Amino acid sequence: QQPVQSPQAVILREGEDAVINCSSSKALYSVHWYRQKHGEAPVFLMILLKGGEQKGHEKISASFNEKKQQSSLYLTASQLSYSGTYFCGTESSNYQLIWGAGTKLIIKP
Amino acid sequence: DSGVTQTPKHLITATGQRVTLRCSPRSGDLSVYWYQQSLDQGLQFLIQYYNGEERAKGNILERFSAQQFPDLHSELNLSSLELGDSALYFCASSPQPESYEQYFGPGTRLTVT
Repeated sequence: QQPVQSPQAVILREGEDAVINCSSSKALYSVHWYRQKHGEAPVFLMILLKGGEQKGHEKISASFNEKKQQSSLYLTASQLSYSGTYFCGTESSNYQLIWGAGTKLIIKP
Repeated sequence: DSGVTQTPKHLITATGQRVTLRCSPRSGDLSVYWYQQSLDQGLQFLIQYYNGEERAKGNILERFSAQQFPDLHSELNLSSLELGDSALYFCASSPQPESYEQYFGPGTRLTVT
């Protein structure tokens, strides 16, 4: 079942913070975060694994609440380059990655 | 540059036709994934291969098929094309089949007229 991302879209001024949430109805093994700019391929940001291990970019932070089957991506002091659509992918017991519908982030100068 | 290559970049064809999309994974990656992304939509997982074997199947139509060859490149075959098949098709690769970052190719834009 597709994870639910919120908000669907957010508009920020440069320097502001944003939080993007990803919620699943299934028990999760891992959560993946990717960013896609218009007309480009998705780019890996972070993986959060059950048990606390994280792999990803140092400037990106995220949390994974295993009990609530939720993850949040934190974008602080946003820059123009952060604009794009953020996708979460959730991995359950069958290890198949299911993608959310995406959160569109627009950063204005 | 992710290291994943896809050809062709653009493809325009008529309804009812058949096309083949090709993907070469990053050097050393054993797993290949295929995704479909319709205009301004999310990613729809189609199929995954690992070291030549089918690993997982998503929302792939029966008119679509794929394979991964011994040299690890992969092909996605789309037949009896319909207007609704127009989309961006991405290939991604990863070192292992699960819980690893996926590296996406630039995509093939398919337009069915």
